Amino acid sequence: GNSVTQMEGPVTLSEEAFLTINCTYTATGYPSLFWYVQYPGEGLQLLLKATKADDKGSNKGFEATYRKETTSFHLEKGSVQVSDSAVYFCALTLATGNQFYFGTGTSLTVIP
Amino acid sequence: GAVVSQHPSWVICKSGTSVKIECRSLDFQATTMFWYRQFPKQSLMLMATSNEGSKATYEQGVEKDKFLINHASLTLSTLTVTSAHPEDSSFYICSARFAGATDTQYFGPGTRLTVL
Repeated sequence: GNSVTQMEGPVTLSEEAFLTINCTYTATGYPSLFWYVQYPGEGLQLLLKATKADDKGSNKGFEATYRKETTSFHLEKGSVQVSDSAVYFCALTLATGNQFYFGTGTSLTVIP
Repeated sequence: GAVVSQHPSWVICKSGTSVKIECRSLDFQATTMFWYRQFPKQSLMLMATSNEGSKATYEQGVEKDKFLINHASLTLSTLTVTSAHPEDSSFYICSARFAGATDTQYFGPGTRLTVL
């Protein structure tokens, strides 16, 4: 089947620390991979995406590389800020379907 | 751009009553809207997919008579939880997609439903 597994939180980091949130997936076809971010009281916002193997998605200093050999799409940021505090969701969708498969979300808190 | 709103943001109701949740695309026409349910510390689970002007497609295990979905226009979809029970308490999130966008969905802020 199709599923996404991401590291459990919560994660607490100091400002300017390096961030990694692990995400692995299983898929029956060739998925597109996504990271969504949910700030308190708001909807999910697309952070970045990658549609094929070895693609790197990037936005706002965040990066993730589509690794087919390890079925992973880990989220990284070199220097986090307090404003990055949010819940991060890894997700996949298959080209032939509508459905998004989400991970459980990882809560990140960045302290000054 | 691509903003999706939901109303209400939270609702508390008595067991046995029905509750309607609205999902609106504010600045684009949403040919397809999706309804998700999220339990605490769990993933978003797709409940149903609705296309404007046609009946919704429900995921396996979702009771279509309990969760009524109507997508009457290109900017509005509604989810009605009929005869709500405490186990229906959850966070309901909608998303919308415009024509031609096969892998991008825009999400609403969610509605917290509590059934007493």
